[in-house]
Amino acid sequence: DSGVTQTPKHLITATGQRVTLRCSPRSGDLSVYWYQQSLDQGLQFLIQYYNGEERAKGNILERFSAQQFPDLHSELNLSSLELGDSALYFCASSLSPTAEETQYFGPGTRLLVL
Amino acid sequence: AQKITQTQPGMFVQEKEAVTLDCTYDTSDPSYGLFWYKQPSSGEMIFLIYQGSYDQQNATEGRYSLNFQKARKSANLVISASQLGDSAMYFCAMRGINTGTASKLTFGTGTRLQVTL
Repeated sequence: DSGVTQTPKHLITATGQRVTLRCSPRSGDLSVYWYQQSLDQGLQFLIQYYNGEERAKGNILERFSAQQFPDLHSELNLSSLELGDSALYFCASSLSPTAEETQYFGPGTRLLVL
Repeated sequence: AQKITQTQPGMFVQEKEAVTLDCTYDTSDPSYGLFWYKQPSSGEMIFLIYQGSYDQQNATEGRYSLNFQKARKSANLVISASQLGDSAMYFCAMRGINTGTASKLTFGTGTRLQVTL
């Protein structure tokens, strides 16, 4: 158990819908990262927050947004869902956003868009 | 930009044998971190081992060791005394120190390891 929690574990929804994925980082970690794992794209970095502020953006679609709250938990919002958004979404956390800090991953949310 | 290359899509190893999973990387960052993660069929990503680019010694964690050859830009994972529970997907990843690269892990495509009796 990495100490990072993600809810829900599984999510099935329809095209055009909106969903929210939730992540709680490990105790003491200030930095939260979101990744998407799909069969065709592999593991891709989406976005990073550090102590409540957006720090970096990766290959995140405009239909997706995220935030980190004062208690450091984070939410990833996916809207106008398409079939291609079906993937495993990971949240990871680390103490600080430096090269040597290990990112610990949550169990992931498996999203299926029908 | 950073790139991780894992050229072995799948590997087989017999129980109790050692196995090496290959990883090469490319980066322009002067300092970086290299990581290996394990993803079992259940889906979670489990951190295995870390190697800093300026570390003089190869990292070891129990049965895992990282064969780091900086000049060759390789960071191979060695698993000794393989166990059936080692069957999983293994990902090599890296992070740089620059603003654009420190924020994220760049992953390879992974190697699927199957441990046989």
